[in-house]
Amino acid sequence: EPEVTQTPSHQVTQMGQEVILRCVPISNHLYFYWYRQILGQKVEFLVSFYNNEISEKSEIFDDQFSVERPDGSNFTLKIRSTKLEDSAMYFCASSEFGGPAETQYFGPGTRLLVL
Amino acid sequence: AQSVTQLGSHVSVSEGALVLLRCNYSSSVPPYLFWYVQYPNQGLQLLLKYTSAATLVKGINGFEAEFKKSETSFHLTKPSAHMSDAAEYFCAVRVDTGRRALTFGSGTRLQVQP
Repeated sequence: EPEVTQTPSHQVTQMGQEVILRCVPISNHLYFYWYRQILGQKVEFLVSFYNNEISEKSEIFDDQFSVERPDGSNFTLKIRSTKLEDSAMYFCASSEFGGPAETQYFGPGTRLLVL
Repeated sequence: AQSVTQLGSHVSVSEGALVLLRCNYSSSVPPYLFWYVQYPNQGLQLLLKYTSAATLVKGINGFEAEFKKSETSFHLTKPSAHMSDAAEYFCAVRVDTGRRALTFGSGTRLQVQP
């Protein structure tokens, strides 16, 4: 069964450094998403992406964050200057057409630790 | 705006006992509701979803959930717990207002005792 993959599974970085989290969505899906879960808190929506542009973003997704689809398979989340509070599990997801009843398929996550 | 509340951050049941995980939603328009499960070191996997076709929804691994509009609830049940059901369970809501974001509850960790 097709699945969303994410790399790396764990990343440790120093505050102020840039990180790039990578995702390979399911191949025929058109919508891509990033969510994050700070330890002990809810899974929170960050951004959705369609047709090479952001279609929706939350108030969390400020100027330090950016997303990109650099080629036909990868979808990346870049955090420009990491802060301690960016430490979280980051989940990538994808869905076929983005409809409200559609399933979003999640990857296993990248655990980011900012020191 | 829509929201989801999951009562009980931890639920412990004995193997073979009924599993009941509670989810209440708040939405001003008809919602779409989802239950996801997260096993240790894995991603979120869809268990089942309510899309207005039927109020009783059956999912994978013997789970089911019933949409009750009058109670604004979408509780997840399984008649007989298995050790393999130990995981974290998330309820999520989405509405058809053009937004694609899922809004998640805070999760319930299910422990199954032998």
